[in-house]
Amino acid sequence: QQQVKQSPQSLIVQKGGISIINCAYENTAFDYFPWYQQFPGKGPALLIAIRPDVSEKKEGRFTISFNKSAKQFSLHIMDSQPGDSATYFCAASMSGTASKLTFGTGTRLQVTL
Amino acid sequence: GAVVSQHPSRVICKSGTSVKIECRSLDFQATTMFWYRQFPKQSLMLMATSNEGSKATYEQGVEKDKFLINHASLTLSTLTVTSAHPEDSSFYICSARGRRQGNNSPLHFGNGTRLTVT
Repeated sequence: QQQVKQSPQSLIVQKGGISIINCAYENTAFDYFPWYQQFPGKGPALLIAIRPDVSEKKEGRFTISFNKSAKQFSLHIMDSQPGDSATYFCAASMSGTASKLTFGTGTRLQVTL
Repeated sequence: GAVVSQHPSRVICKSGTSVKIECRSLDFQATTMFWYRQFPKQSLMLMATSNEGSKATYEQGVEKDKFLINHASLTLSTLTVTSAHPEDSSFYICSARGRRQGNNSPLHFGNGTRLTVT
C-alpha cells in the first residue's frame, strides 16, 4: 500500500516559471516531511523539510506548503532553472522510527529554456 | 557537511556470483544505516535497517539470506547480494544517520551502486 502519493509523475516548466509538486499521505503518525532531489545516477539529496507544526517553510527558491487537515504537502520551486531539472521525491517518517522514510513515487521535472 | 561514500558506483557480474557493496560515513559516526533499492524511474524502496553491532532489520518481502548486511563499525556497512540473478539488477542506495542526531534529523545518502547481473 502506497502511504505517500505524489503527483504529477512528470512536469515540464519553462525557465522562470513555478514548479509545483504535490504529495498526500495517509498515516497521521507521520510528523516529518522532507523533499529530496535526485539527479540521474546519483543518490537523493535533501532539499528542504517541514514538520506539521508549521504550514509553510521557505528556503531560497524552494517552499513547502503543508496542510495538516488535508494530509497534503507540496513543493514549490520559484523561478525554475534548467539546473533544477531532476527527479523530486517527497517522503515522510514518524518519530521513533530512526528516520525510516517512506518515499513518494517521484516527479521528473524538466525546465526548458 | 556529512558525506556518505558508496562503492563501487557500478558493477557488472555474472549470474550466480556474489557482489559486495560498501557504504561509509566519512565524517561522522553512523549508528544507523539504511539500504534502499530503486528500479528505473521508480521510487526508493527500503530494504533493511542496519544498526551498528546488531543484526539488520529487513522489510517485508526482502530475503535476508540473499541480501546480507553487515554493520561492523560505526563508519561502515556492507550489503552483499548473494547468488545474484538478472532480476537483482537495480540501483542500490545507502543512507546514514549520525550518533547524536535525532530520529528526524536529515539522512545523508550515498551516490548509489548500479548493479547489472548478466
